[in-house]
Amino acid sequence: DAKTTQPNSMESNEEEPVHLPCNHSTISGTDYIHWYRQLPSQGPEYVIHGLTSNVNNRMASLAIAEDRKSSTLILHRATLRDAAVYYCILRDYGGSQGNLIFGKGTKLSVKP
Amino acid sequence: KAGVTQTPRYLIKTRGQQVTLSCSPISGHRSVSWYQQTPGQGLQFLFEYFSETQRNKGNFPGRFSGRQFSNSRSEMNVSTLELGDSALYLCASSFQGRSLETQYFGPGTRLLVL
Repeated sequence: DAKTTQPNSMESNEEEPVHLPCNHSTISGTDYIHWYRQLPSQGPEYVIHGLTSNVNNRMASLAIAEDRKSSTLILHRATLRDAAVYYCILRDYGGSQGNLIFGKGTKLSVKP
Repeated sequence: KAGVTQTPRYLIKTRGQQVTLSCSPISGHRSVSWYQQTPGQGLQFLFEYFSETQRNKGNFPGRFSGRQFSNSRSEMNVSTLELGDSALYLCASSFQGRSLETQYFGPGTRLLVL
């Protein structure tokens, strides 16, 4: 499976936008880019996913580079509740395995 | 719809004992996956069950096993516990376990091996 690279940690101020980067230079044409996050003392939860075009949902936006070798998860206004570890994961839509392969993720701290 | 539930939430065992953890998936979901989370190794995939059959397996020793029942509930068992088995064990469910389906995680069972 193609690997992703994320910064170990990032800090943000409350109510400011946060841009969480992810590099995936070996991404294949059948890989979707997924983001999950894990709040303290909870299991991971789905955030957003995309293939080529930028995507928006109620939680976040996903900006995907034109060459697809990198992507950015955007939280438009960070809240204290957004403090979590964010995982960028590639999932092959042509593959048969549904399990997630987690990297180390980015630990986001949000300051009031 | 109720979420994924796991029992027990916390467990303390001693080395050499065995332990069974339970996971009830979201209603209608037939795929259940198990993950181990430790500070050193992060989140690692253990195995996945679909329609009572183990479909995929991660790189864990045979002491780790699981099963799934006809109602899709799943159990995982760890025999001959070692100190290094102390971890948060998470299960996740999805409709059919296909590669693009969202996985819904439970809160986990925190196991401490003394």
